[in-house]
Amino acid sequence: GQQLNQSPQSMFIQEGEDVSMNCTSSSIFNTWLWYKQDPGEGPVLLIALYKAGELTSNGRLTAQFGITRKDSFLNISASIPSDVGIYFCAGESGGSNYKLTFGKGTLLTVNP
Amino acid sequence: ETGVTQSPTHLIKTRGQQVTLRCSSQSGHNTVSWYQQALGQGPQFIFQYYREEENGRGNFPPRFSGLQFPNYSSELNVNALELDDSALYLCASSSGLAGGPEYNEQFFGPGTRLTVL
Repeated sequence: GQQLNQSPQSMFIQEGEDVSMNCTSSSIFNTWLWYKQDPGEGPVLLIALYKAGELTSNGRLTAQFGITRKDSFLNISASIPSDVGIYFCAGESGGSNYKLTFGKGTLLTVNP
Repeated sequence: ETGVTQSPTHLIKTRGQQVTLRCSSQSGHNTVSWYQQALGQGPQFIFQYYREEENGRGNFPPRFSGLQFPNYSSELNVNALELDDSALYLCASSSGLAGGPEYNEQFFGPGTRLTVL
């Protein structure tokens, strides 16, 4: 099935460092979403972006909806050990013909 | 407020069998979506139900079918199971349709781990 191009695939960083990950698509989306998934759990929504060019923050997280509507990035500032997990981007389209397409994920490891 | 719940948590089936997975929506939500997540991959959208009607479908064959009930809970049925159907099946609930006035983003359940032998 289709998945978005998400990079990097994995990151290993020191506590306190900033992190950046991004997602690209060949398709246009109405909404870009960023999720975090911990082992044994479902994804949890971090940030939702609804307009091209929109820049949104949620605490130490900042995400942007690309102008072309085909890309998005997520930044995490001053990482802490509990940031460990898998981060997924997702592009949403529809209304009456709904689809949510996920990236393959970025595995983040934070070394205390 | 009760979150999204799924049952069973784990399930083992053999190839060719049929399986039914269940999902209870978060209180107040009338839309349910189902996803298949293979190991090491992102979730793949299977379909969405809004007020008991299918409202979008991903690239899955017809042997993947679903139902939504008047209380907005949902079932995912998979017939003629194949080895590649082994995955985590996630259910997510939300309100309304994407882009609509009552819409809020999806909340995911913990998933059902299906193993097909």
